[in-house]
Amino acid sequence: DVKVTQSSRYLVKRTGEKVFLECVQDMDHENMFWYRQDPGLGLRLIYFSYDVKMKEKGDIPEGYSVSREKKERFSLILESASTNQTSMYLCANRPDSNSPLHFGNGTRLTVT
Amino acid sequence: GNSVTQMEGPVTLSEEAFLTINCTYTATGYPSLFWYVQYPGEGLQLLLKATKADDKGSNKGFEATYRKETTSFHLEKGSVQVSDSAVYFCALRGSNYQLIWGAGTKLIIKP
Repeated sequence: DVKVTQSSRYLVKRTGEKVFLECVQDMDHENMFWYRQDPGLGLRLIYFSYDVKMKEKGDIPEGYSVSREKKERFSLILESASTNQTSMYLCANRPDSNSPLHFGNGTRLTVT
Repeated sequence: GNSVTQMEGPVTLSEEAFLTINCTYTATGYPSLFWYVQYPGEGLQLLLKATKADDKGSNKGFEATYRKETTSFHLEKGSVQVSDSAVYFCALRGSNYQLIWGAGTKLIIKP
């Protein structure tokens, strides 16, 4: 079974803090994604990566950046957290464009 | 552009009831269609999919048929269980291979 591990289940941060959300996969999958999930809005794509050191903006990249220095790790960075970034963050991966996504269990981030 | 519309929840049913969760889409071309499920405290997982018109996806007693004429992909199950309580997401995969998601429908099954 593919395993996608998000390092924290719950995080509470203060406005203005720099926040790192980590995601690690145990398979050799090329594609990795960061989504945020908000009630009534479904999932919205923040950033994705199709290879090491490659990154592409999704639909809502503002206020976020990402890092993919190694194939197995895809980090989401909030440069200066704001209260409107309080959300559930989901990491996902897939081996190729035609395969289904595998998700981590999510990180619920609260920014106060 | 592409979009997915799901019925609003929560949907509350008794055990053994018949379930339908509506999903309609707007897309250019012929996208692949998916249902994902999110059980409490977990990430999403693929429930079923269909890649062309009239295809029927099925898994764990759930079914959905790709209807091009009505641009729909409704999720059905003949007899739901308490363990089916979850949030269900309809999604389409467009020509750029990215998924477009519906808002999600929370399903609550009472014993």
